[in-house]
Amino acid sequence: DAGITQSPRHKVTETGTPVTLRCHQTENHRYMYWYRQDPGHGLRLIHYSYGVKDTDKGEVSDGYSVSRSKTEDFLLTLESATSSQTSVYFCAISEGTSDTDTQYFGPGTRLTVL
Amino acid sequence: GQNIDQPTEMTATEGAIVQINCTYQTSGFNGLFWYQQHAGEAPTFLSYNVLDGLEEKGRFSSFLSRSKGYSYLLLKELQMKDSASYLCAVMDSNYQLIWGAGTKLIIKP
Repeated sequence: DAGITQSPRHKVTETGTPVTLRCHQTENHRYMYWYRQDPGHGLRLIHYSYGVKDTDKGEVSDGYSVSRSKTEDFLLTLESATSSQTSVYFCAISEGTSDTDTQYFGPGTRLTVL
Repeated sequence: GQNIDQPTEMTATEGAIVQINCTYQTSGFNGLFWYQQHAGEAPTFLSYNVLDGLEEKGRFSSFLSRSKGYSYLLLKELQMKDSASYLCAVMDSNYQLIWGAGTKLIIKP
């Protein structure tokens, strides 16, 4: 158990509203990631972080922003939610200091945008 | 472009053996991962291969051929609890994971 929690676990919101998802880890891991998972697609990387205030874009970053002001928390914000952002969002961490370290996933947040 | 291919769905019988294949074309290679994902749950790590050959972990084994851009996950003595999706992912030259869409494995008694 890598000590990762996500909140909320489920959310229904309306188009145009801002939404923030939280990922919290208890074990001081350096790397944190946000993915989305949609039917028929592999997991797709949205943003990732390699330390406090150090973040970078992934494959599908448009419409999303992130912040990491503390080691343990990585926030994903949908600035103005759209129906295409209806998805399951997973946070992941990697344990060590190597770029090739295994990623471990949080339980996920199911987001529905109406 | 980068691409990971794996079968969409497979069916096998309890107690049998099943092989799930994964082929990849990526910009660089820093290892291949297999994850298991039960419906409605998070992916969980199964195996990591970076060198050619077979890695065995109990009932699960994973094979890699870098020259062929090919891997497989072998599951032996199938149990009903092995019904899940199996995700193949390759770490590219930027140390980012490129994911296949997953193989849904259905186990029948």
